[in-house]
Amino acid sequence: GDSVTQMEGPVTLSEEAFLTINCTYTATGYPSLFWYVQYPGEGLQLLLKATKADDKGSNKGFEATYRKETTSFHLEKGSVQVSDSAVYFCALMGGSGYALNFGKGTSLLVTP
Amino acid sequence: GAGVSQSPSNKVTEKGKDVELRCDPISGHTALYWYRQSLGQGLEFLIYFQGNSAPDKSGLPSDRFSAERTGGSVSTLTIQRTQQEDSAVYLCASSSRTGNEQFFGPGTRLTVL
Repeated sequence: GDSVTQMEGPVTLSEEAFLTINCTYTATGYPSLFWYVQYPGEGLQLLLKATKADDKGSNKGFEATYRKETTSFHLEKGSVQVSDSAVYFCALMGGSGYALNFGKGTSLLVTP
Repeated sequence: GAGVSQSPSNKVTEKGKDVELRCDPISGHTALYWYRQSLGQGLEFLIYFQGNSAPDKSGLPSDRFSAERTGGSVSTLTIQRTQQEDSAVYLCASSSRTGNEQFFGPGTRLTVL
């Protein structure tokens, strides 16, 4: 079945550091890929998405490129801020067309 | 506009009791989803409603779990004879029929003692 694997956290970075959170997936067909973010005390929010191979999703300085050849959707940001501290979830939407299949989540802590 | 709302925000119950969790989707959204977020299993899909179509219940973990959606809007997730392993945060999401972005509510944290 479909599955998502993302790097385990917690990840601790200093402000302005470069961020990469790895995400790989297993799916049949051509899934859509997502990154969701959960800030402390808040609900899940969509951060960015990509619906086909080679698409790049971007939002708030974060980027991720849908790589079909490596079945990956790594999240990157060039310069993190303290306010980026949150839990990040990689997810795919496969053949059902509606059920999201999430990774375990990666906790990010950015220190001043 | 208003987002997805869920109630209660926290629920503590005793093993064996029944609980009902409520979800109010974004107005006009025809699709509604329930997920469960637990330490051991991460985020799991439970059930999906789309308009008046039969729901997809394939993610429900046992027959103690059921859900309904009245009038195509509010949804209730019911857990009968709760067990300690049911302790989790239950998340509701909604989306428009034509889009696939799911908007999540703040969740209900269920603790079964």
